[in-house]
Amino acid sequence: GQQVMQIPQYQHVQEGEDFTTYCNSSTTLSNIQWYKQRPGGHPVFLIQLVKSGEVKKQKRLTFQFGEAKKNSSLHITATQTTDVGTYFCAGGTEGSNYKLTFGKGTLLTVNP
Amino acid sequence: KAGVTQTPRYLIKTRGQQVTLSCSPISGHRSVSWYQQTPGQGLQFLFEYFSETQRNKGNFPGRFSGRQFSNSRSEMNVSTLELGDSALYLCASSGEGYPQETQYFGPGTRLLVL
Repeated sequence: GQQVMQIPQYQHVQEGEDFTTYCNSSTTLSNIQWYKQRPGGHPVFLIQLVKSGEVKKQKRLTFQFGEAKKNSSLHITATQTTDVGTYFCAGGTEGSNYKLTFGKGTLLTVNP
Repeated sequence: KAGVTQTPRYLIKTRGQQVTLSCSPISGHRSVSWYQQTPGQGLQFLFEYFSETQRNKGNFPGRFSGRQFSNSRSEMNVSTLELGDSALYLCASSGEGYPQETQYFGPGTRLLVL
């Protein structure tokens, strides 16, 4: 079945440093979604990418979807303590039997 | 609009018991998905219901079952609980159920099996 691998598992940065998490799928995706889960909270939708090579920005966050629609990345510029949490990617399968498969997430901690 | 609600928020059970969790989606949403979240396995898809029908199913044993009512509220049942079923159970609702819909997660039910 479809597998979505996410790296790194953990990332600790100093406030102001950049951060990137990567997502790779074993199969071509129809779309990719990104979620953030704060400690003790639940996943909250950030963004969805659908088109090959798509790049979207949300303030300091930049999301990319690979040309082959099998990988994606989330880059945070100049991290802040409010960025702390686990970032999940979720890949949607192509075809009629759509299913969303989550990566295991990257836990980001930020040292002030 | 009110968000996704889940009850109960916390639950302690013993091995062999069964448990029923409830999820009320955002008003107007017809798709409800259930996930199990554990530190080791991350977020794992259990099943999805749309208009009272199970539309998708993950790779969980038959002890895990669910249903959806005509008002889109959903319940999840786990029978013959095992220690490994201790987890955060999240439900998520989405709008018309078309592929690529955003998932809106509830706060989860934290289940501890002793």
